[in-house]
Amino acid sequence: EDQVTQSPEALRLQEGESSSLNCSYTVSGLRGLFWYRQDPGKGPEFLFTLYSAGEEKEKERLKATLTKKESFLHITAPKPEDSATYLCAVRGSGGSNYKLTFGKGTLLTVNP
Amino acid sequence: DTGVSQNPRHKITKRGQNVTFRCDPISEHNRLYWYRQTLGQGPEFLTYFQNEAQLEKSRLLSDRFSAERPKGSFSTLEIQRTEQGDSAMYLCASSPDRLPYGYTFGSGTRLTVV
Repeated sequence: EDQVTQSPEALRLQEGESSSLNCSYTVSGLRGLFWYRQDPGKGPEFLFTLYSAGEEKEKERLKATLTKKESFLHITAPKPEDSATYLCAVRGSGGSNYKLTFGKGTLLTVNP
Repeated sequence: DTGVSQNPRHKITKRGQNVTFRCDPISEHNRLYWYRQTLGQGPEFLTYFQNEAQLEKSRLLSDRFSAERPKGSFSTLEIQRTEQGDSAMYLCASSPDRLPYGYTFGSGTRLTVV
């Protein structure tokens, strides 16, 4: 069974203080690792998909990287508007290869 | 493209009542998914449609839950005889068949059972 563990559960940063979020995963044949952002009371908003170890994707202050066992979401010089819960999910090549398995998320708070 | 639309946004119901939620996916997306999210947890898979065919139901989906997608367009999720444990955010997502698979989520329906 696919498993995703995210750490830390919560992270508080000062504006401009760069950091990284971790996503460790166990999956039978990775067919995609997904990062989503979720604001309170809203659905997850797609950020990135990574497919193979060594792949990197960037969007504004966010950069996602992937190894064979984990993914990192690096946040450079964050702003208060980056405050949200960041969710990691995997899709495997097992029997149910169309569904995503999510971690519990990291709640990021960026203080001005 | 107006994204994935879910209605209602919020629903408060008394225990034992039936409720129905609607999801309108992105029009060109063949695949439609329902997930459930409780406070402090990530979304959990409930069921999946490819066009009008329901191809998988999670063991989380008890007999009180039923989902349909007539004509492969919108989908409904019905919960019969609601229980307090059903209180959660119900999320709908859709995606195309082709790679890269982009799962787009709706804003969800927040269900509170009192």
